[in-house]
Amino acid sequence: EVVLTQSPATLSLSPGERATLSCRASQSVSVYLAWYQQKPGQAPRLLIYDASNRATGIPARFSGSGSGTDFTLTISSLEPEDFAVYYCQQRSNWPPSLTFGGGTKVEIK
Amino acid sequence: QVQLQESGPGLVKPSETLSLTCTVSGGSIISSYYWNWIRQPPGKGLEWIGYIYHSGSTNYSPSLKSRITISVDTSKNQFSLRLTSVTAADTAVYYCARESMATDSWGQGTLVTVSS
Repeated sequence: EVVLTQSPATLSLSPGERATLSCRASQSVSVYLAWYQQKPGQAPRLLIYDASNRATGIPARFSGSGSGTDFTLTISSLEPEDFAVYYCQQRSNWPPSLTFGGGTKVEIK
Repeated sequence: QVQLQESGPGLVKPSETLSLTCTVSGGSIISSYYWNWIRQPPGKGLEWIGYIYHSGSTNYSPSLKSRITISVDTSKNQFSLRLTSVTAADTAVYYCARESMATDSWGQGTLVTVSS
C-alpha cells in the first residue's frame, strides 16, 4: 500500500508570497497524483490531477509538478482565499484504491 | 453539472450499523466513473473507504474491508454505504464522491456521530 507523506505540516506565509507544498510517495505512483484544497466546513475541491493538470476553473497561480515519488504543489502568489488545508491523493490501479496524504495547512503569517 | 448528496442518520449507537445513501443528480450513475465513500474524523485528514462501479464491482479499504458493504441502485441513481459494528473511532464526516482521473465531484458531507 502506498503511503503519501506531505510536508511541511504547516506553512505560515503572507498574502502575495509563494507557497511550495511537497508530497512524497513510498513507491512510484507515476503521474497519478492529485491535489485538493479544503476550507473549514467544506468538502475538498480538486485543484490538480495527473500531477500537473489544472482542474476546470482553477486559477493559473496553482501549478503542480513531479512524477514517480516526489511531487510539488506551487501557489505562485497567495491570495487571501488560498489559506486552507491542502491534500495530495494517489490512485492505484492495483490494488484499485485511493490514498490521501496527511495534509498541509497554509496559514496567514 | 453533477451533484451528490449524502443522507442518513446523524447518530448511531456503538456496535450498530451505520447506513448512508448518496443521491446523484445532474448526471447518470451509469457512466464511466467510480463512486466513492470517503470520511474525515473531526480535525483529522481524509480516509478513503471504498468505491463501486455501476456494474456493482467494488473495492474497499483493507483496514475497513471486513465491516463495509457498498451497493448501487441504478434505478434511483443512488449508491449506499453500510458499516457494521461501529465504535467512537467511526465518528466522522462522511463524503460521497465521483472519481475518474481524480475525485472531481463531492457531496457536502454528513457528520455521523457514534455515541450511546
